[in-house]
Amino acid sequence: AQSVTQLGSHVSVSEGALVLLRCNYSSSVPPYLFWYVQYPNQGLQLLLKYTSAATLVKGINGFEAEFKKSETSFHLTKPSAHMSDAAEYFCAVSDGGATNKLIFGTGTLLAVQP
Amino acid sequence: NAGVTQTPKFQVLKTGQSMTLQCAQDMNHNSMYWYRQDPGMGLRLIYYSASEGTTDKGEVPNGYNVSRLNKREFSLRLESAAPSQTSVYFCASSADSSPLHFGNGTRLTVT
Repeated sequence: AQSVTQLGSHVSVSEGALVLLRCNYSSSVPPYLFWYVQYPNQGLQLLLKYTSAATLVKGINGFEAEFKKSETSFHLTKPSAHMSDAAEYFCAVSDGGATNKLIFGTGTLLAVQP
Repeated sequence: NAGVTQTPKFQVLKTGQSMTLQCAQDMNHNSMYWYRQDPGMGLRLIYYSASEGTTDKGEVPNGYNVSRLNKREFSLRLESAAPSQTSVYFCASSADSSPLHFGNGTRLTVT
């Protein structure tokens, strides 16, 4: 069965510092991997997705993630945090089949300190 | 440019009451989903519908029923609400193999 593990339920960084949010996946088939962001009292928005075209995926708002098969990881990074990045981030995996069901991680709440 | 619309936004129920959460999408997507979000547990799939006329159980279907009324609409029904169903409920839709688009959620409290 597919699953994702997000290490660190809370991460705090200073404005301008590197953001690193960790995600490891478990999948018996080549996975489709996603990062979503959730701002307070809103639904989830897609940040980026990996579908095997390229291992380094660039998303919106300056975020990117690298697919590393040897480490079964798909960590999310941003070189310089902004106050507006404060939100909850979810990693998710799908088998890409017709049903396109997503299995989500438990989320990482990112705080950005001034 | 509505996307996925959920109603109501907030609801308070007493134990044993019933209610239906409504979801509609205007993107002509085949697949629709209901998730619940609880603190520290991420989002868990309740039911999904791969196409009009079909529905399947997800990870946590107990206590819920769904109806795919047409291609646009996918409703979630709680027949006899329990405190354990206090949660934020999200509806989502997608075209085949494309990312999910989410609504803004329904916050349900069962007392």
